[in-house]
Amino acid sequence: QSALTQPPSASGSPGQSVAISCTGTSADVGAHDYVSWYQQQPGKAPKLMIYEVSKRPSGVPDRFSGSKSGNTASLTVSGLQAEDEAYYYCSSNIGGNILVFGGGTKVTVL
Amino acid sequence: EVQLVESGGGSVEPGGSLRLSCAASGFSFTDAWMSWVRQAPGKGLEWVGRIKSKNSGGTIDNAAVLEGRFTISRDDSRNTLYLQMNSLKIEDTAVYYCKWEKSPYYALDAWGQGTTVTVSS
Repeated sequence: QSALTQPPSASGSPGQSVAISCTGTSADVGAHDYVSWYQQQPGKAPKLMIYEVSKRPSGVPDRFSGSKSGNTASLTVSGLQAEDEAYYYCSSNIGGNILVFGGGTKVTVL
Repeated sequence: EVQLVESGGGSVEPGGSLRLSCAASGFSFTDAWMSWVRQAPGKGLEWVGRIKSKNSGGTIDNAAVLEGRFTISRDDSRNTLYLQMNSLKIEDTAVYYCKWEKSPYYALDAWGQGTTVTVSS
């Protein structure tokens, strides 16, 4: 069982938006603003899409946005494109030392 | 350009040992906090552990579930991170990634491409 809870799947048509939730506890997601989101394509290493809840690394399109409320963080992908179809994982930390991941969400572009 | 290149993966029988390496370049490895993350076939990401830089105390944090079977170390003179895996179990079969923690508290990071470990009899 994963430390953070994500829905197993989400989907949307091209151009639409899809939101993925990531629920933790007051020890991780709710304790600070260190929540990250990764995109993983088949056979590839995870790619950082969002860090510190809502910051985008250089090169990540602004279609990707993050937010957090209490113990739940969310990733929203707006203007869905075919290349957004992938698995998405959230992560957070406990006490700054232990890293925890969500179980992953498969995003399908219909 | 930042590069993280894992090596040392392969096939091993249950109970065996394996040492993975991660060769780093393109950044100051001496100052880097480094982590290992693994992914079993068809499963999600699982944190293995992290080692801080020596000037941050060199502290090592490990996932409790590994029961002390895995040891993370580093050789700053070789810009290389290691993962010594002992008493391997079938459930340790996974792709093992090293990652550079560009900033504290697991925020900005960079990942290697991974090396595959298969534990099978």
